[in-house]
Amino acid sequence: DIQMTQSPSSLSASIGDRVTITCRASQSISTFLNWYQHKAGRAPKLLIYTASSLQSGVSSRFSGSGSGTDFTLTISYLQPEDSATYYCQQSYTTPITFGPGSKVDIK
Amino acid sequence: EVQLVQSGGGLVQPGGSLRLSCETSGFTLSTYAMNWVRQAPGKGLEWVAAISSSGISTYYADSVKGRFTISRDNSRNTLFLQMSSLRAGDTAVYYCARIAAADNYYFDYWGQGILVTVSS
Repeated sequence: DIQMTQSPSSLSASIGDRVTITCRASQSISTFLNWYQHKAGRAPKLLIYTASSLQSGVSSRFSGSGSGTDFTLTISYLQPEDSATYYCQQSYTTPITFGPGSKVDIK
Repeated sequence: EVQLVQSGGGLVQPGGSLRLSCETSGFTLSTYAMNWVRQAPGKGLEWVAAISSSGISTYYADSVKGRFTISRDNSRNTLFLQMSSLRAGDTAVYYCARIAAADNYYFDYWGQGILVTVSS
């Protein structure tokens, strides 16, 4: 199975800050990497697919990059509604695996 | 508007069974693969099972293989998850989700989530 790791596991940032979350796969997954935002009590929301494609309707403040084993999710100009847990997910092969999540809090 | 509406959750005793349903609308179910993802209390997201658009191919996480069965009825626009031999560790919020592309299993629409509690 492909193992996914994320860092940091949590962070606290101020409104307007630029936030970067990293995700690493245990083997190369090309660009089969996707990012989700999950708020408590709600369904996860797809933000980025195939490493860098912005899902329709998602704010352009979110961006993704990377290939192979190392990926990043960047939130530019952090907003209050960005408080959530962010998960990466590899879709290179089954079993599909998620990272452990990165919790973003607003200071 | 794409919608996935889940039902069938609840409290079940260890060793028991439960069937989850996910009724879809706003798109042609028969053209999309579908899957289930769960989140145990205080834990992260865990992929559970996937099924191809035709229903011919199914895939399972090792943690549920042999106990859970994913199926679909395209004529009724509904996805199912039959869960058997349930354990306390299966307690979670279960989400159905649409797989956006046939050759890339990422999930663009999700159900509202439904709680399954396994406890005596």
